[in-house]
Amino acid sequence: GAGVSQSPSNKVTEKGKDVELRCDPISGHTALYWYRQSLGQGLEFLIYFQGNSAPDKSGLPSDRFSAERTGGSVSTLTIQRTQQEDSAVYLCASSLGVRRATYAPRGYTFGSGTRLTVV
Amino acid sequence: AQSVTQPDIHITVSEGASLELRCNYSYGATPYLFWYVQSPGQGLQLLLKYFSGDTLVQGIKGFEAEFKRSQSSFNLRKPSVHWSDAAEYFCAVADNYGQNFVFGPGTRLSVLP
Repeated sequence: GAGVSQSPSNKVTEKGKDVELRCDPISGHTALYWYRQSLGQGLEFLIYFQGNSAPDKSGLPSDRFSAERTGGSVSTLTIQRTQQEDSAVYLCASSLGVRRATYAPRGYTFGSGTRLTVV
Repeated sequence: AQSVTQPDIHITVSEGASLELRCNYSYGATPYLFWYVQSPGQGLQLLLKYFSGDTLVQGIKGFEAEFKRSQSSFNLRKPSVHWSDAAEYFCAVADNYGQNFVFGPGTRLSVLP
């Protein structure tokens, strides 16, 4: 598509329920990132997928969080047994990855995010 | 690992006034630097980026930024602010392998009519 698409745009869930957030990156973008932005906070890195390499999961805050990327395209972020502190905007971004010759990273394109509210 | 600071949490300027948003980074090698803008209810949009070459970088919407290695800074500027520039601005740095993107905490810009 023309941009990074995220769904749903808004999600309200009860504490303890599981949620799935979807990200559809720009076609051909090999790198995909998940971030979350809590109210009044900066962006917090969650997880990074690059091509067929093992994902960098170093930012996932707990084992309740997991993500997968099927076929190198669509990604799903799953939060199990949601807690109120999980309430945030979850942003997905994709990029062409790095230029092999110079390792210069390309800029991201971000989706509009999913606003998750846990009540 | 690299890090980014944006010393100003909130800045208010009058429409038509000039603007400078500060960004300082910490990284041992030449960083790759970015400025993003997030308007209310919108996703992040890339304003400009610096990889190498000319240290004064021109971006979209009339923004520019200057990379100053001696000061470890990459400040964002605009000569005349418009009301539509009210948004949150994020500075970001990536390492020279593009493996780690770190964002600053953001600066919220308010524009007075």
